[in-house]
Amino acid sequence: DAGITQSPRYKITETGRQVTLMCHQTWSHSYMFWYRQDLGHGLRLIYYSAAADITDKGEVPDGYVVSRSKTENFPLTLESATRSQTSVYFCASTAGLVNEQFFGPGTRLTVL
Amino acid sequence: AQSVTQLDSQVPVFEEAPVELRCNYSSSVSVYLFWYVQYPNQGLQLLLKYLSGSTLVESINGFEAEFNKSQTSFHLRKPSVHISDTAEYFCAVRAGTSYGKLTFGQGTILTVHP
Repeated sequence: DAGITQSPRYKITETGRQVTLMCHQTWSHSYMFWYRQDLGHGLRLIYYSAAADITDKGEVPDGYVVSRSKTENFPLTLESATRSQTSVYFCASTAGLVNEQFFGPGTRLTVL
Repeated sequence: AQSVTQLDSQVPVFEEAPVELRCNYSSSVSVYLFWYVQYPNQGLQLLLKYLSGSTLVESINGFEAEFNKSQTSFHLRKPSVHISDTAEYFCAVRAGTSYGKLTFGQGTILTVHP
């Protein structure tokens, strides 16, 4: 399917476990982003990537790791999950700096 | 750094009434402005954007927003809302110098009542 997909859509994990959220886009967009959405905070940028093997921190990067070995994939890893990382995570991509960002459907993560 | 403030967290209105969702931003550089809409349990969809040119921009479903540089605002309006407009709306700003990074407001939940 064309577009941007995220998996899993829902995930429950325990404190201290490693969790990886997947993001895949079929447009070959250069730029990809990870956001978290929390009530009262809107969306906050965690990490972004301008191209394969180029990543940089956003507003709230602590506790997260990203990689981008292929243009179409941008996984987000929580190395040791904490309750404060319970959130809805959105992946987005864009072709260029003046283009709109396209968002995936989100992953709802609960850390117990 | 940029910041965005959406002045109302919730806006309840009756069907066919007009609505305005307020958005103010701050930035030391030129900006691009966006409104996104999020329906329940879905991702965000672009509603409209201001990049340059005419300060009044419109969406295909009747929303419009006006870029006011002097007041650093980008308020979203619709003259007559429908039940289907019930959603959360996010204002976002991107600095002209950034890597396409968006800074979002806190969101406004628009609830349209029959």
